[in-house]
Amino acid sequence: EPEVTQTPSHQVTQMGQEVILRCVPISNHLYFYWYRQILGQKVEFLVSFYNNEISEKSEIFDDQFSVERPDGSNFTLKIRSTKLEDSAMYFCASLERVTTDTQYFGPGTRLTVL
Amino acid sequence: RKEVEQDPGPFNVPEGATVAFNCTYSNSASQSFFWYRQDCRKEPKLLMSVYSSGNEDGRFTAQLNRASQYISLLIRDSKLSDSATYLCVVTRVNTGFQKLVFGTGTRLLVSP
Repeated sequence: EPEVTQTPSHQVTQMGQEVILRCVPISNHLYFYWYRQILGQKVEFLVSFYNNEISEKSEIFDDQFSVERPDGSNFTLKIRSTKLEDSAMYFCASLERVTTDTQYFGPGTRLTVL
Repeated sequence: RKEVEQDPGPFNVPEGATVAFNCTYSNSASQSFFWYRQDCRKEPKLLMSVYSSGNEDGRFTAQLNRASQYISLLIRDSKLSDSATYLCVVTRVNTGFQKLVFGTGTRLLVSP
């Protein structure tokens, strides 16, 4: 069964450093997402991406965040200058069609900012 | 008011018990409804979609009441492996793009 993959599984970084989280969505999917889950809290939408541009972003997704699909397979989330409060699980998800299909989640990257 | 509200639990039940979870959502524009399961520090995994007509998948039954904006999940004959957090999820389609909105989850602990 096709699946969404994410690397790394755990990233530790110093405050102020840049990190790039990587995702490989399911190959025939067209819509891509990043969600975040701070420990003990709910899963929150960050951004959706379609046709090489952002289709929607939440108020969490400020100027320190960016997304990119640099080639035909990878989908990346960059956090430019990490803060302590960016520590969370970051989940990538992909979707084939927008109307009734289900989003499939990757296993997540645990980001720890020290 | 939270867009999706759930009782966080935990619900502690013995094996074999029947347990029910409820969820309410505030946005009447919500279009699709799901229950996801999340194990500790893992990704959410789709358990089942929820329809107004009700749907059943083995020991799991889900129901949607659009008029009351209420979603339920019933688990019969609980197994130890059912211990997890159950996430109520609704979708909104804004300008043609889908977004998932999650509840905080209800934690279930099934004991021997």
